[in-house]
Amino acid sequence: GAGVSQSPSNKVTEKGKDVELRCDPISGHTALYWYRQSLGQGLEFLIYFQGNSAPDKSGLPSDRFSAERTGGSVSTLTIQRTQQEDSAVYLCASSVPAVTNYGYTFGSGTRLTVV
Amino acid sequence: TQLLEQSPQFLSIQEGENLTVYCNSSSVFSSLQWYRQEPGEGPVLLVTVVTGGEVKKLKRLTFQFGDARKDSSLHITAAQPGDTGLYLCAAKVNTNAGKSTFGDGTTLTVKP
Repeated sequence: GAGVSQSPSNKVTEKGKDVELRCDPISGHTALYWYRQSLGQGLEFLIYFQGNSAPDKSGLPSDRFSAERTGGSVSTLTIQRTQQEDSAVYLCASSVPAVTNYGYTFGSGTRLTVV
Repeated sequence: TQLLEQSPQFLSIQEGENLTVYCNSSSVFSSLQWYRQEPGEGPVLLVTVVTGGEVKKLKRLTFQFGDARKDSSLHITAAQPGDTGLYLCAAKVNTNAGKSTFGDGTTLTVKP
């Protein structure tokens, strides 16, 4: 597609349930990133994938969070046993190879609300 | 400790006024990006600066990267209501670190 696509755009879930968030990056972008944004705040890094290299998971806040990227394209961020503090907008971005100084192209995000 | 400090946090001005927002750090960066984000959308890249002292212009927006590559400013001339949004700076410490660190942003409101 022309841009980064994220689904769902909104997700309301009950505390303790698992959720899956999907990201479809721009074709040909080998780097993919997940960030989290609380209301009106900056972006908190979660995880990034670059080609076939091991992902950088250093930003994942707990072992309830995991992500995978299949076939170097679509990525899924999974949050197990959701908590209220997980409520945020989850943003996915992709870019050309990460070693350059290119910026990111972001999706519109998934707004997650844990009730 | 926040790696990138943005100021001011909030700014509300009248249409036609000029403004400058800042992004500061004690770290040296290989590159720095500015993004604008509107409600319900992801950030949109405005510019990337790489060279110390570099100045880039995008219509009424002027971006400057500090000589020491530790700070940056964004100046908007004759602001318009369409400039309203959250302005975020982001930086990489080195070119091999794929992830960028983001500041907390400046929320700009331009009143007609």
